[in-house]
Amino acid sequence: RKEVEQDPGPFNVPEGATVAFNCTYSNSASQSFFWYRQDCRKEPKLLMSVYSSGNEDGRFTAQLNRASQYISLLIRDSKLSDSATYLCVVPRDSNYQLIWGAGTKLIIKP
Amino acid sequence: NAGVTQTPKFQVLKTGQSMTLQCAQDMNHNSMYWYRQDPGMGLRLIYYSASEGTTDKGEVPNGYNVSRLNKREFSLRLESAAPSQTSVYFCASSELEGAFTEAFFGQGTRLTVV
Repeated sequence: RKEVEQDPGPFNVPEGATVAFNCTYSNSASQSFFWYRQDCRKEPKLLMSVYSSGNEDGRFTAQLNRASQYISLLIRDSKLSDSATYLCVVPRDSNYQLIWGAGTKLIIKP
Repeated sequence: NAGVTQTPKFQVLKTGQSMTLQCAQDMNHNSMYWYRQDPGMGLRLIYYSASEGTTDKGEVPNGYNVSRLNKREFSLRLESAAPSQTSVYFCASSELEGAFTEAFFGQGTRLTVV
């Protein structure tokens, strides 16, 4: 099993819809998680941090399910500008080392 | 507000050639990182520098060397490029030590080794 796994997609979603995708992780000791967003041919940028059961920021909600070892990202009222690849990130046991998922590609269609 | 600046943005090398990727940040961050990103894979850490004067190997350090020139600058050197090093390279920095803080990335260097 990979340390961090994501469905590569693409998820094709109409504008205004709600979309959710998951990220599974193998290290049960992981305490914090991140979602980064990466636009095509651009650098990753932090979207959300998840330190406990979840986090919400406007239209974006991240939830953590420790029992099943996955985190989810929910996007409500999706916009065309939400089209991007969403990267799930989990710290390793030691500092400085992050395990990056390969990303889930999201395409919002008008 | 430049943030993290990488040069060059694009580079084509012949097998066996050497080159240095430059990275500078103007956010007074302590930690800096070099990653590579390959299709279908997550970012992989090549080297990192927790603070000025220190460097450590990451997940995939073979074939690379780094220099933390000062607090602002962290360079990555390929001594003898190989086709397997064809990738997109990202430099990143973070304010605090550790993996639990936001990383800010440069725009990336697209390297092709032929």
